[in-house]
Amino acid sequence: DQQVKQNSPSLSVQEGRISILNCDYTNSMFDYFLWYKKYPAEGPTFLISISSIKDKNEDGRFTVFLNKSAKHLSLHIVPSQPGDSAVYFCAASAYNQGGKLIFGQGTELSVKP
Amino acid sequence: KAGVTQTPRYLIKTRGQQVTLSCSPISGHRSVSWYQQTPGQGLQFLFEYFSETQRNKGNFPGRFSGRQFSNSRSEMNVSTLELGDSALYLCASSPETGAIYEQFFGPGTRLTVL
Repeated sequence: DQQVKQNSPSLSVQEGRISILNCDYTNSMFDYFLWYKKYPAEGPTFLISISSIKDKNEDGRFTVFLNKSAKHLSLHIVPSQPGDSAVYFCAASAYNQGGKLIFGQGTELSVKP
Repeated sequence: KAGVTQTPRYLIKTRGQQVTLSCSPISGHRSVSWYQQTPGQGLQFLFEYFSETQRNKGNFPGRFSGRQFSNSRSEMNVSTLELGDSALYLCASSPETGAIYEQFFGPGTRLTVL
């Protein structure tokens, strides 16, 4: 039972344009959402997060949007840079689950110069 | 601050053997979680330890176990290794006990079972 889904395994974007990565979830107990970036042979690196009491959070070029009614979140990267090329994971956490993150399958972003 | 460290980085074992992986969290972090990453299943939660107690557990068989020491360092053990246990094992640490906190990951241990 995939509680967090990233339906696009890959995404290719031109440098300078916007990258939009999507994530859907099914568990209404999730109250905190995170995006991680991962390069091969490295552990995931935390990017940005959002609490379920908000619908938007920005950090520099990265913005995460949360639509609770649709159980959908998205990560926007503007402008995209070649160094952003990596696998992006969406993750979710529920209050009563402590340090347990449920991850999506990941989306491989390729930013072309 | 130094990041999360995991040892060893690479390990090759044969079926039936057991293995112990080690994780040192970021200084001051008391929560340590373990994840398994495979191409087919993605990143899956194994278990979390806080103050030497297992606080959460994922859906893995009893062959997978862990523990945490008083200095917050953690180990995970896999007994009777199977080919399907070949994976990247990631450890993550977190500083807070509340509901909202981010986890910081180590580089992982790549386990190959032959």
